[in-house]
Amino acid sequence: NAGVTQTPKFQVLKTGQSMTLQCAQDMNHEYMSWYRQDPGMGLRLIHYSVGAGITDQGEVPNGYNVSRSTTEDFPLRLLSAAPSQTSVYFCASSYTRDSRAKNIQYFGAGTRLSVL
Amino acid sequence: DAKTTQPTSMDCAEGRAANLPCNHSTISGNEYVYWYRQIHSQGPQYIIHGLKNNETNEMASLIITEDRKSSTLILPHATLRDTAVYYCIVASLIQGAQKLVFGQGTRLTINP
Repeated sequence: NAGVTQTPKFQVLKTGQSMTLQCAQDMNHEYMSWYRQDPGMGLRLIHYSVGAGITDQGEVPNGYNVSRSTTEDFPLRLLSAAPSQTSVYFCASSYTRDSRAKNIQYFGAGTRLSVL
Repeated sequence: DAKTTQPTSMDCAEGRAANLPCNHSTISGNEYVYWYRQIHSQGPQYIIHGLKNNETNEMASLIITEDRKSSTLILPHATLRDTAVYYCIVASLIQGAQKLVFGQGTRLTINP
């Protein structure tokens, strides 16, 4: 059971380049989300999804797009990277249906992104 | 979501109980108190959560005051591996899932 898998682990981009951060989970979780963490700060919610075909914005959605075509995958797209998007990105997932386990979010290991 | 206030840093001796306080004076009736921790730069790890009753699991205990305006996370026998940033989060369920809003947390250092 792999849990939440994020790829790549590290990425360096030039300003204006685009890329997709991948997130996959094998726990059949309905809820998935993306956070960014800047140095010395807590995590900030970018986008989240409560199921396939449903996405919504978090605290800091500007500059990022998401889609959820399957339960397993929730990619995060940077259309035109900016230095302000240099950060560590974490993906998380959890259940939503009635179960005590729905209150637990599982996080991936993170993607460290630098935009030059 | 209700805002939380935590001390920036704390120290604790190995083998002693670590008590991490959190204030959440604006919590509303349907909001839960969650604790997560982040070791080094890894992804956050769930520890425990509660609504109004005290909770205990294999990792920790959570004590919530009767008015629910504050809580304390207790690590009963801290080890060096418990050194981490601990986040107290108050969140309600959004369509069945928690929408977590992280603050800056408490940096807990366990000393040998």
